[in-house]
Amino acid sequence: DVQMTQSPSYLAASPGESVSISCKASKSISTYLAWYQEKPGKANKLLIYSGSTLQSGTPSRFSGSGSGTDFTLTIRSLEPEDFTVYYCQHYNEYPLTFGSGTKLEIK
Amino acid sequence: QVQLKESGPGLVQPSETLSLTCTVSGFSLTSYSVSWVRQPSGKGPEWMGRMWYDGDTAYNSALKSRLSISRDTSKNQVFLKMNSLQTDDTGTYYCTRDGPMGDYWGQGVMVTVSS
Repeated sequence: DVQMTQSPSYLAASPGESVSISCKASKSISTYLAWYQEKPGKANKLLIYSGSTLQSGTPSRFSGSGSGTDFTLTIRSLEPEDFTVYYCQHYNEYPLTFGSGTKLEIK
Repeated sequence: QVQLKESGPGLVQPSETLSLTCTVSGFSLTSYSVSWVRQPSGKGPEWMGRMWYDGDTAYNSALKSRLSISRDTSKNQVFLKMNSLQTDDTGTYYCTRDGPMGDYWGQGVMVTVSS
């Protein structure tokens, strides 16, 4: 199975700042990488797929980069609604696997 | 609009079988695949398996011996059955529309395995 190592597990920042979250795959997954946002009481939301393509409706302050084994989710100019949990997931082969998550908190 | 809704019992006895239903709207099960994903509290999600749009299935090898996914296209429903449940099967269970990643998720159903 492809292991997805996501870091950091916790991240504290202030509104207006920029942050980056890393996701490393245990082997190459090309660009078959998605980023999700989790909020309590709401369905998980797909933010980015194919490593860097914004899903329709995702604000432009979100961006994704990377290919192969190393990927990054960057959020510029943090808004209050961005402080929540983020997951990466590969979909290159079975089984699809997820990172362990990053909780973004207000500093 | 696209919607998925999971339903099923909130409490299951150890060693019993879990049966969940995912009812979808806004898309056809013959055009999109649907996956089941579960998440223990405080941990990352785990992909369990997929019902392909053509009726084929794929399973996580870690669960394959206990898991079965089926569908009823006339009712727009996908079903999950997993036997021999243990306490570490406790968590929230989601169904997702796959495009091929989960582009839409249900809100999930909490399942507790306990006597």
